[in-house]
Amino acid sequence: GQSLEQPSEVTAVEGAIVQINCTYQTSGFYGLSWYQQHDGGAPTFLSYNALDGLEETGRFSSFLSRSDSYGYLLLQELQMKDSASYFCAVKTSGTYKYIFGTGTRLKVLA
Amino acid sequence: GAGVSQSPSNKVTEKGKDVELRCDPISGHTALYWYRQSLGQGLEFLIYFQGNSAPDKSGLPSDRFSAERTGGSVSTLTIQRTQQEDSAVYLCASSLDGGSREQYFGPGTRLTVT
Repeated sequence: GQSLEQPSEVTAVEGAIVQINCTYQTSGFYGLSWYQQHDGGAPTFLSYNALDGLEETGRFSSFLSRSDSYGYLLLQELQMKDSASYFCAVKTSGTYKYIFGTGTRLKVLA
Repeated sequence: GAGVSQSPSNKVTEKGKDVELRCDPISGHTALYWYRQSLGQGLEFLIYFQGNSAPDKSGLPSDRFSAERTGGSVSTLTIQRTQQEDSAVYLCASSLDGGSREQYFGPGTRLTVT
């Protein structure tokens, strides 16, 4: 089957750095995406990795290792507004469909 | 429009009734996706459209679920003979094409089957 695993919950304090891991097992792979979703809101795109390595976008960075079927999202200088759920998603080859993980709920404490 | 829109925002229906959910993607976006999200859960892929055709319908849970897209734009997801387990938020997303990095999500339709 196809699956993505993420921690269910992570807690950190304002100003800290947090890493959310994602391991995947899918048939076919184009890339790994990360989405943020606040309670009651729609998911919003954060980053996409198609190749191994680190992609940096402001306070957020995302890493991919295709050989390990592993990626992570790194959030720096945490702010209260970063409290949300974070989903990794694999874009599968063949039909371009996405398989989403179950999400990691991030709580940022003052 | 400026973003993906969905209607209705909320729908309460009785078990056994049919419902239609609508998605208006961003103008010019050829790829359109439907997902289902149960409370506190991840997004479950339902169907992907490229233009008017659906290369991947593998996520539709049963033959009670169907979707169509006309004119390469608006899409309708239809659920026949609704069941209580169909209660969820149904999300639509679009992207410029299937190879795009980013999906843009609509606000979703919250479906409650009583």
